[in-house]
Amino acid sequence: NAGVMQNPRHLVRRRGQEARLRCSPMKGHSHVYWYRQLPEEGLKFMVYLQKENIIDESGMPKERFSAEFPKEGPSILRIQQVVRGDSAAYFCASSPETVVGTQYFGPGTRLLVL
Amino acid sequence: TQLLEQSPQFLSIQEGENLTVYCNSSSVFSSLQWYRQEPGEGPVLLVTVVTGGEVKKLKRLTFQFGDARKDSSLHITAAQTGDTGLYLCAGADAGGTSYGKLTFGQGTILTVHP
Repeated sequence: NAGVMQNPRHLVRRRGQEARLRCSPMKGHSHVYWYRQLPEEGLKFMVYLQKENIIDESGMPKERFSAEFPKEGPSILRIQQVVRGDSAAYFCASSPETVVGTQYFGPGTRLLVL
Repeated sequence: TQLLEQSPQFLSIQEGENLTVYCNSSSVFSSLQWYRQEPGEGPVLLVTVVTGGEVKKLKRLTFQFGDARKDSSLHITAAQTGDTGLYLCAGADAGGTSYGKLTFGQGTILTVHP
């Protein structure tokens, strides 16, 4: 049973470019969460999605960041016009519907903005 | 805003010693997760505790959830060098649209010396 998959594992972008991070949840999981881990900081919640719905985006920056989880395909976290402060590790997690809090994390995407 | 205070931040011990990591909050959580994270990887789930006062054992690791579901501890008996890593606690919020959102502690970096 494959775990949560994220790609790419490493992404380098120049300031002003767009970054697209992909996440495929574990089989049978319909809940997807995105977290960001800044250098020297802990993991911070960004957004919670179910298929075709954003449930909670209270942790998302108001501008340049968006997320989706379409009916078919992976969840996408999109960062437009990246800035150096966006450099971080971005983790996706998924959970089964019935268990509150039990989330399984992917290996993360390390974004570096030059 | 829910906060989780994790202590100690750093722990350096000799192989064979026992240790305890604490996770405290003024907020009540619906569940509490403990993760271990290796450099360059995502957090790996160790355990979920749900019921106040619950104790779970995983080989040499003992996890406890406080009666009021505001605090938790991780105790490792006879530490081994393979236990070295970053340990994270994370509380799940079950209220409204924040269902399942995890709030993380700052982490404890454990180093076990041979």
